[in-house]
Amino acid sequence: QKEVEQDPGPLSVPEGAIVSLNCTYSNSAFQYFMWYRQYSRKGPELLMYTYSSGNKEDGRFTAQVDKSSKYISLFIRDSQPSDSATYLCAMSGGFQKLVFGTGTRLLVSP
Amino acid sequence: SQTIHQWPATLVQPVGSPLSLECTVEGTSNPNLYWYRQAAGRGLQLLFYSVGIGQISSEVPQNLSASRPQDRQFILSSKKLLLSDSGFYLCAWTASSNQPQHFGDGTRLSIL
Repeated sequence: QKEVEQDPGPLSVPEGAIVSLNCTYSNSAFQYFMWYRQYSRKGPELLMYTYSSGNKEDGRFTAQVDKSSKYISLFIRDSQPSDSATYLCAMSGGFQKLVFGTGTRLLVSP
Repeated sequence: SQTIHQWPATLVQPVGSPLSLECTVEGTSNPNLYWYRQAAGRGLQLLFYSVGIGQISSEVPQNLSASRPQDRQFILSSKKLLLSDSGFYLCAWTASSNQPQHFGDGTRLSIL
């Protein structure tokens, strides 16, 4: 079993839809949780990071962490074609060594 | 603000040739630096990380090595490339171990 599981997609939605991206993990020692967005042929760009359980909101993006279920989510409201990218979850016990999911490819059609 | 540079963006090398990829960070001092390899469908694999000049930790035994000759410079090297070294190589930095990592735009390496 992988430490972090993420559905590879692709996930196809129409413009304006609410998108839900998810990761599950097995290591209960993880305390820091991150979401990165990666466009084709580019490096990952940090979108959100949270510590422990709870929600964090930034504009159209909301990150949720449920440590009891070992489950994290990223919600994108009013999705735009420019949101089309691969979304990577990452987590760690400290930021020194991150464990990444394999990424979910999102396609938002106009 | 801080920026991270990687070059070259694309590289095609024959099997058995040497490799040198460079990463530099601007706008910060004494960053933690990381080298990752990203293979299709396999996520990011941490190769090396460094918390200071001359301090290198290797995560995966392999055909590669890393060096940090200056505070904000991180180099990934190989003496003889293998076909299996093909991939997308990413450098990342963080100001400290309790801050998230930020990535460069990577080098796409193809071995022929």
